[in-house]
Amino acid sequence: EVQLVESGGGLVKPGGSLRLSCLASGFTFSSYNMHWVRQAPGKGLEWVSSISRSSSYIYYADSMKGRFTISRDNARNSLYLQVNDLRAEDTAVYYCATEKSPTAFDFWGQGAMVTVSS
Amino acid sequence: QSVLTQPPSASGTPGQRVTISCSGSSSNIGSNYVYWCQQLPGTAPKLLIYRNNQRPSGVPDRFSGSKSGTSASLAISGLRSEDEADYYCVAWDDSLSGSWVFGGGTKLTVL
Repeated sequence: EVQLVESGGGLVKPGGSLRLSCLASGFTFSSYNMHWVRQAPGKGLEWVSSISRSSSYIYYADSMKGRFTISRDNARNSLYLQVNDLRAEDTAVYYCATEKSPTAFDFWGQGAMVTVSS
Repeated sequence: QSVLTQPPSASGTPGQRVTISCSGSSSNIGSNYVYWCQQLPGTAPKLLIYRNNQRPSGVPDRFSGSKSGTSASLAISGLRSEDEADYYCVAWDDSLSGSWVFGGGTKLTVL
């Protein structure tokens, strides 16, 4: 059974940093591209970033460039998102999701809540 | 303001057929595949349609997708109460350095 479990969320002060993790199981993690997608409270889905199977290709949404860093460790079946200089508008549930041709966004984690507040 | 434009809401009665539209441009829908996700209240999204009109295993054939030019549509036939959810279209956008773009989402209400 495919499982994606996000962790590392919580309450953070403005200007702070955190690293989200996504632990994968039930599939060959190294064969999948991976994504981070976020959802602010009461709002729609917003794509954050994606990373290819071997980390050769990395993409960010324009609004995320500079403060967000995606990475992965295939030996640990893990995906990461480092977020620096957190702002109130970063408050959201952060989901990790898979991509393997021909599908994309086919499996999702349950999400990790990040709240940025003083 | 989302790059892909969806109506904020849609509704139908049980058994009806409803359609949700998704409008984009030549750099996204016009030149790339469209995907559709369903998000039931309080849950993570789920893939409904990939590559414009393909259904993952386990998705009922009541759900169908289509694409024409720079627009796409999700159709749900034989509407059921459990279809009440938010629906999102998503596509790769070739502009600038490339990115995935989501529609703003459509909240479907089953009356």
